[in-house]
Amino acid sequence: DAGITQSPRYKITETGRQVTLMCHQTWSHSYMFWYRQDLGHGLRLIYYSAAADITDKGEVPDGYVVSRSKTENFPLTLESATRSQTSVYFCASALSETYEQYFGPGTRLTVT
Amino acid sequence: KQEVTQIPAALSVPEGENLVLNCSFTDSAIYNLQWFRQDPGKGLTSLLLIQSSQREQTSGRLNASLDKSSGRSTLYIAASQPGDSATYLCAVSVMNSGYSTLTFGKGTMLLVSP
Repeated sequence: DAGITQSPRYKITETGRQVTLMCHQTWSHSYMFWYRQDLGHGLRLIYYSAAADITDKGEVPDGYVVSRSKTENFPLTLESATRSQTSVYFCASALSETYEQYFGPGTRLTVT
Repeated sequence: KQEVTQIPAALSVPEGENLVLNCSFTDSAIYNLQWFRQDPGKGLTSLLLIQSSQREQTSGRLNASLDKSSGRSTLYIAASQPGDSATYLCAVSVMNSGYSTLTFGKGTMLLVSP
């Protein structure tokens, strides 16, 4: 399907486990982003990528790792999940840094 | 650090009313401003993008204005409908370590009653 997809849509994991959230876009957009959305904090940027093999930290990067070996994929890994990482995670992409960002449907992650 | 504030946090109006949502930001050095809509449990849908050089953008019943010097934007919704009920988010594009990223407000939750 065209667009931006995220998987899984829902995930429950235990504290200390590693979990990877997937993001895939079919537009060949250069820029991709990961955000988390929490009540009281709104949307906050975790990591972003300007192109394949180029990534940089956002506002709240601690505890997360990203990679971007292919333009269309931008996985987000929680190396050792903590309860504070319970959140809804959104992936987004944009043609360039001053263009509209398009968001995926989100992944609801619960860490028990 | 850029901060984005949206007022009011929640708004309830009867169907047919025209309404205005407000967004303010602390640093006027922005590339653009984007308005999004988010339905409960869903992702964000882009509504309008205003480049820093523009004053307003229109799409159907929606009109967004930008006053960069005063750090303000408004989203005007004409003839509101129950289907407009959602949370509306404002975000500004700012420079961060050589790249442009979005900083979001916390949103205005809109309820349009029939």
